[in-house]
Amino acid sequence: DAKTTQPTSMDCAEGRAANLPCNHSTISGNEYVYWYRQIHSQGPQYIIHGLKNNETNEMASLIITEDRKSSTLILPHATLRDTAVYYCIVRAKEGTDKLIFGTGTRLQVFP
Amino acid sequence: NAGVTQTPKFRVLKTGQSMTLLCAQDMNHEYMYWYRQDPGMGLRLIHYSVGEGTTAKGEVPDGYNVSRLKKQNFLLGLESAAPSQTSVYFCASRTPGGSYGYTFGSGTRLTVV
Repeated sequence: DAKTTQPTSMDCAEGRAANLPCNHSTISGNEYVYWYRQIHSQGPQYIIHGLKNNETNEMASLIITEDRKSSTLILPHATLRDTAVYYCIVRAKEGTDKLIFGTGTRLQVFP
Repeated sequence: NAGVTQTPKFRVLKTGQSMTLLCAQDMNHEYMYWYRQDPGMGLRLIHYSVGEGTTAKGEVPDGYNVSRLKKQNFLLGLESAAPSQTSVYFCASRTPGGSYGYTFGSGTRLTVV
């Protein structure tokens, strides 16, 4: 699995968009970009994933650059409950490959 | 639909004691995983299973054993607990090619004294 690079921490004002970047310059053609988050000490929660097209669901949007070497997770209207550690992970969707976590980005949403 | 359930939620062990952590899922998922998370770090994979009766090693398997006798259960065993195994343990499951990724349990906080 390719490695990812994320900023250690970010701040965002409540109600504003939170844009979390991720670099994955060694991603291979069959690898997807997955985003998970971990709120306090809970188990990680799946947010979204994508291959090369931008994706949107009820939680967030995922923007993947054309060369697929980086992506951005967007929380359009951050709330205090979005304070969490966000993990960007790349892996093949099929097969038995494991989910390899880095240290993620700690997002702090402030009032 | 409970998802992934881990028992116990908390446990304190003395060095050298043994215990088994239970993970149960009711989503008929084929794949199951055990991770550990130490303070300030991401999750590290201990062992995983791609089906009933099969197990495989992850990144940090030493000191742990696992069994998958039933599809819905994945057990993690510590035969002789050490302080270095103090951690939060998370179980996860998924279906092959599943669109919604992994489903995680709420964790087991283990302290070895």
